[in-house]
Amino acid sequence: RKEVEQDPGPFNVPEGATVAFNCTYSNSASQSFFWYRQDCRKEPKLLMSVYSSGNEDGRFTAQLNRASQYISLLIRDSKLSDSATYLCVVNSRYNNNDMRFGAGTRLTVKP
Amino acid sequence: DTGVSQNPRHKITKRGQNVTFRCDPISEHNRLYWYRQTLGQGPEFLTYFQNEAQLEKSRLLSDRFSAERPKGSFSTLEIQRTEQGDSAMYLCASSLFGHGVAQETQYFGPGTRLLVL
Repeated sequence: RKEVEQDPGPFNVPEGATVAFNCTYSNSASQSFFWYRQDCRKEPKLLMSVYSSGNEDGRFTAQLNRASQYISLLIRDSKLSDSATYLCVVNSRYNNNDMRFGAGTRLTVKP
Repeated sequence: DTGVSQNPRHKITKRGQNVTFRCDPISEHNRLYWYRQTLGQGPEFLTYFQNEAQLEKSRLLSDRFSAERPKGSFSTLEIQRTEQGDSAMYLCASSLFGHGVAQETQYFGPGTRLLVL
């Protein structure tokens, strides 16, 4: 079993749709959680950290369920520019030197 | 541009040759990470430095791989006797750890895409 698992997609949605990505992790000692976005042939860029209480940044909402070892990302009112691969990232240590990346979920937003 | 930079951006080499990649982190960042990413996968951790000290190496980092960060600024990653399986994107990331920072965030460079023929 992989340490961080994501549905690879692809998710093909129309503009304006709401889309949700899920991620599960195997290490119950994991300390911090992130979503990164990666455009085709580009580097990953931090989208948002994920906090225990859940957090929102504009159209993006992240949730964490420690009991189920599950992370989610919700994108509302999808834009064409949201098309990318979304990487779930889990760190099992306090000092962030054990980042484990999921394989990513690919999203395509169509006009 | 004050982000992480990597050179070269692309490298094509023949099997058995040695290659060296360079990473220049964000100037005030004390940590520097190397990752490898293959198609359809997320980045995999290779090694990291805090200042000039190499603190951890992944089991993925065979003895053909060596990384240095001699002055605690830029870093190099060398692959000796390259194999076709080494073909991948090599990503560098840097971060500021400690110094009152609540949560360490890694910022990635554009990567070096290696193709071993």
